[in-house]
Amino acid sequence: NAGVTQTPKFQVLKTGQSMTLQCAQDMNHEYMSWYRQDPGMGLRLIHYSVGAGITDQGEVPNGYNVSRSTTEDFPLRLLSAAPSQTSVYFCASSYLHTGVGETQYFGPGTRLLVL
Amino acid sequence: LAKTTQPISMDSYEGQEVNITCSHNNIATNDYITWYQQFPSQGPRFIIQGYKTKVTNEVASLFIPADRKSSTLSLPRVSLSDTAVYYCLVGDGPKWNAGNMLTFGGGTRLMVKP
Repeated sequence: NAGVTQTPKFQVLKTGQSMTLQCAQDMNHEYMSWYRQDPGMGLRLIHYSVGAGITDQGEVPNGYNVSRSTTEDFPLRLLSAAPSQTSVYFCASSYLHTGVGETQYFGPGTRLLVL
Repeated sequence: LAKTTQPISMDSYEGQEVNITCSHNNIATNDYITWYQQFPSQGPRFIIQGYKTKVTNEVASLFIPADRKSSTLSLPRVSLSDTAVYYCLVGDGPKWNAGNMLTFGGGTRLMVKP
């Protein structure tokens, strides 16, 4: 299993540009999520999904869109990048609740710099 | 979702045992306690999870008192490579009907010195 993969690893954007951060997992996990982590800070939840076709907002959803057309993929779209979106983005996945606490598996992250 | 409180940072020396305590006064009956470790430039990694009493694996031990309002992650004989941020999460995992956002706090920055 490759686990959770993210592309690209690093991206530089100009203000106003759009881009999509890719996330894929091969563990057949129903739950997928996107976090952002600013320097020296903890992770903040952007959007999450409990299955194909089902998404919902996290703590900091503004400026980001997501979709979940397949179980495996959960792309994050920035429609008009702003310097405040400079951060490291992590994708994570897990099984849904099955009676015990589920652990999340994280991707390696995408470093985004918006100029 | 139960809020957690952890120390912002801790220092230790190689070979010492490190205990990081997390407070979660509003923990619900169905909630589990999960700890993650994050190295610089990497995503968080699962360390240990427990519900009550004590859990031990090859990496750490987790002590949970009877009232479950706090928990302590214990790292035996730390090395320089244990320098990382440690996050405590409380919840019962994501569910179909409620979504149940999983949120991270600021974590505890552990610095292990030679």
